[in-house]
Amino acid sequence: AQSVTQLDSHVSVSEGTPVLLRCNYSSSYSPSLFWYVQHPNKGLQLLLKYTSAATLVKGINGFEAEFKKSETSFHLTKPSAHMSDAAEYFCVVRPYNNNDMRFGAGTRLTVKP
Amino acid sequence: NAGVTQTPKFHILKIGQSMTLQCTQDMNHNYMYWYRQDPGMGLKLIYYSVGAGITDKGEVPNGYNVSRSTTEDFPLRLELAAPSQTSVYFCASSRLSGDGYTFGSGTRLTVV
Repeated sequence: AQSVTQLDSHVSVSEGTPVLLRCNYSSSYSPSLFWYVQHPNKGLQLLLKYTSAATLVKGINGFEAEFKKSETSFHLTKPSAHMSDAAEYFCVVRPYNNNDMRFGAGTRLTVKP
Repeated sequence: NAGVTQTPKFHILKIGQSMTLQCTQDMNHNYMYWYRQDPGMGLKLIYYSVGAGITDKGEVPNGYNVSRSTTEDFPLRLELAAPSQTSVYFCASSRLSGDGYTFGSGTRLTVV
């Protein structure tokens, strides 16, 4: 069965410092992996997705994620945090040829001035 | 460009009542989904549809029903509401099953 674990429920960084949000997955088949962002009282917005092409995926707003099969990880990074990055982030796994996307529990990112 | 539109945004329902959450999309997407979001739990799939006339259960379908008579609309029906159905409900759509989803802004439902 497929699942995803977000290793931190809350991450706090200072503005201008790097962001690292960690995600590990388990999947029986070659998965597709996604990161979504949810700002307060809003719907989810797709940041980036991995679908077995390049292992380093670039997304919107300066975020990127690296697929590491040997570590079953798909961590989200950004070199320099902005105040507007404060939000909830969800890692999502979709097994090959399956409509059942599985969401992680989310990581709340706080950005301090 | 409206994307995915959900109504209502908020609703309070009494135990045992029924209601329908509306979802419509204007992107001609084949795939549509209903999720519920509970604090600290991520999103869980209730039902999904791969096209008009075709629906299937997700991870947590009990207490809900759906229909898909048109490509645009995918309403979610709650019968005999229970407090456990208090949640935020999100509708989403995608053109292909492997695409990222476009989400609506959600419906916050409270059952009292």
